[in-house]
Amino acid sequence: EAQVTQNPRYLITVTGKKLTVTCSQNMNHEYMSWYRQDPGLGLRQIYYSMNVEVTDKGDVPEGYKVSRKEKRNFPLILESPSPNQTSLYFCASSPVEYQPQHFGDGTRLSIL
Amino acid sequence: QKEVEQNSGPLSVPEGAIASLNCTYSDRVSQSFFWYRQYSGKSPELIMSIYSNGDKEDGRFTAQLNKASQYVSLLIRDSQPSDSATYLCAVNSGGYQKVTFGTGTKLQVIP
Repeated sequence: EAQVTQNPRYLITVTGKKLTVTCSQNMNHEYMSWYRQDPGLGLRQIYYSMNVEVTDKGDVPEGYKVSRKEKRNFPLILESPSPNQTSLYFCASSPVEYQPQHFGDGTRLSIL
Repeated sequence: QKEVEQNSGPLSVPEGAIASLNCTYSDRVSQSFFWYRQYSGKSPELIMSIYSNGDKEDGRFTAQLNKASQYVSLLIRDSQPSDSATYLCAVNSGGYQKVTFGTGTKLQVIP
């Protein structure tokens, strides 16, 4: 089954404790992306990747890091999480950047 | 100025009616346009994609694109209660690498 898998689905943590949200897709897609979704602000792109070792900033990259060492994986790293990063996060992938994206089920992060 | 704008709603329509959802965008070089549906607490799922001016129909859904006026719309015919969701407009912009979403329109179909 074609899918984008995110882990964990839910996480409650504390300020400053480094965390990683993993994202993996099994569709051999080149384009992968991370979004955060906040009430009233919609989905905002954090980082995207055009292919292995090619990443770039989206609209809200501050406080986040990403890497793309393998085509299927695109982890999101919060080196020093802060409460304003409490949000619902989605990973998505598409064959190329101008085609529709397939979304993971989301990760709800709460940073206290 | 928001790059992709949608009326947040809620848009309420009776069952069986046509629901009309609108989206405007600011980047004139945008080339790819998408409508996603998102149920509460779930991930977005693709409804329609459209790349050229005009209408594109898929079942009860019709997407309309007007690049000169920089708007894209979604019509849902014979609306059903199961269509009640938030509809997100998304646009490829910034050299076609970035994807920008509108804040979504909440649709309520009243039985």
